[in-house]
Amino acid sequence: GESVGLHLPTLSVQEGDNSIINCAYSNSASDYFIWYKQESGKGPQFIIDIRSNMDKRQGQRVTVLLNKTVKHLSLQIAATQPGDSAVYFCAENTETSYDKVIFGPGTSLSVIP
Amino acid sequence: KAGVTQTPRYLIKTRGQQVTLSCSPISGHRSVSWYQQTPGQGLQFLFEYFSETQRNKGNFPGRFSGRQFSNSRSEMNVSTLELGDSALYLCASSLGAFEQFFGPGTRLTVL
Repeated sequence: GESVGLHLPTLSVQEGDNSIINCAYSNSASDYFIWYKQESGKGPQFIIDIRSNMDKRQGQRVTVLLNKTVKHLSLQIAATQPGDSAVYFCAENTETSYDKVIFGPGTSLSVIP
Repeated sequence: KAGVTQTPRYLIKTRGQQVTLSCSPISGHRSVSWYQQTPGQGLQFLFEYFSETQRNKGNFPGRFSGRQFSNSRSEMNVSTLELGDSALYLCASSLGAFEQFFGPGTRLTVL
């Protein structure tokens, strides 16, 4: 397969705090990035995306930052809530691999009430 | 609007058998992608269909195959099942843009 996920990083945050989930991507040619949230027993759910011509994009309580120089992506969740507990995946794609999204290994976020 | 549906949700098979999984995309979506998710390998792309044609394929053996029908519904088939095929198989649909909508998955257990 193309995505290796031998170890799932975990992040525990207190309810109300901000969360930052990091992701390193591999392909310098990737020009579209997505964050997904996967709750137990469900499929991944789209959170926010960003194209390579941007370095920041904001949604509702979420912000994605892209640093192309070091091939790094981060997801910031403001005022984290118990419902945010899930596994978060970053994914990368290129224009030449239409819909062939490559997922990172995921980070498990646990919110402490 | 109904989401992506996958059937069956759970399946138990034995080694050597074959299995067919079904995916119904969101109405109007013509692109359907399949993924395998395991604890060890994470989410891995299997293949993607658009208008009944396979456009992209991941690095899986030929035992894994798929097809798409004229109504955009898709099936994937795994022949000669191996223990390592035990996984959550996810289907995702899109309009052809990058945003994909995932179904709940089919949990396949191979004994």
